[in-house]
Amino acid sequence: AAGVIQSPRHLIKEKRETATLKCYPIPRHDTVYWYQQGPGQDPQFLISFYEKMQSDKGSIPDRFSAQQFSDYHSELNMSSLELGDSALYFCASSLTRQGDAKNIQYFGAGTRLSVL
Amino acid sequence: GIQVEQSPPDLILQEGANSTLRCNFSDSVNNLQWFHQNPWGQLINLFYIPSGTKQNGRLSATTVATERYSLLYISSSQTTDSGVYFCAVVPWAGANSKLTFGKGITLSVRP
Repeated sequence: AAGVIQSPRHLIKEKRETATLKCYPIPRHDTVYWYQQGPGQDPQFLISFYEKMQSDKGSIPDRFSAQQFSDYHSELNMSSLELGDSALYFCASSLTRQGDAKNIQYFGAGTRLSVL
Repeated sequence: GIQVEQSPPDLILQEGANSTLRCNFSDSVNNLQWFHQNPWGQLINLFYIPSGTKQNGRLSATTVATERYSLLYISSSQTTDSGVYFCAVVPWAGANSKLTFGKGITLSVRP
């Protein structure tokens, strides 16, 4: 079965550089989520999209932005990178029944970002 | 927001032993998922279990929604079971569906 695809798997950047993470959800899934997991931490919700519209926003820095495209893939753009942005970034997708939060979220393998 | 507490924080087992991992949550939920994060960082879906009991091989889970807790049982543990186990929930209240994770339980299975 198709899974959530994230690219790249690993990314090394310098401080103040920009990074773009990509996510391809499971086909026919209508909701995409982004989570950030710092070293030794639990994943924290950043932002989500339902049918290409932003549906919820968590503790996402203003330096970060995200969007979902017409083909349902999503990109997380990160600018002015800081050392503290080093983390594992997960994308998840789900098929959301409208008005019903009962949905299974399937996670990609993650992108490990290292900011030097 | 909803609080998710997992216990114990760390667990060391000898291969072949059984274990029970607990997840308490502070409010009613309509989504509860258990994950295993392997040493490579991948989050593996174990169970979607907002209520009831499910089994998958050596793993089983039970959620008692009225008492706001879930249990993950691992039987005949293997070294490949090592890693961090997360419980994550979506509360009933509100329209969003983001998962709130517990702090995780680090399991080490020794040969």
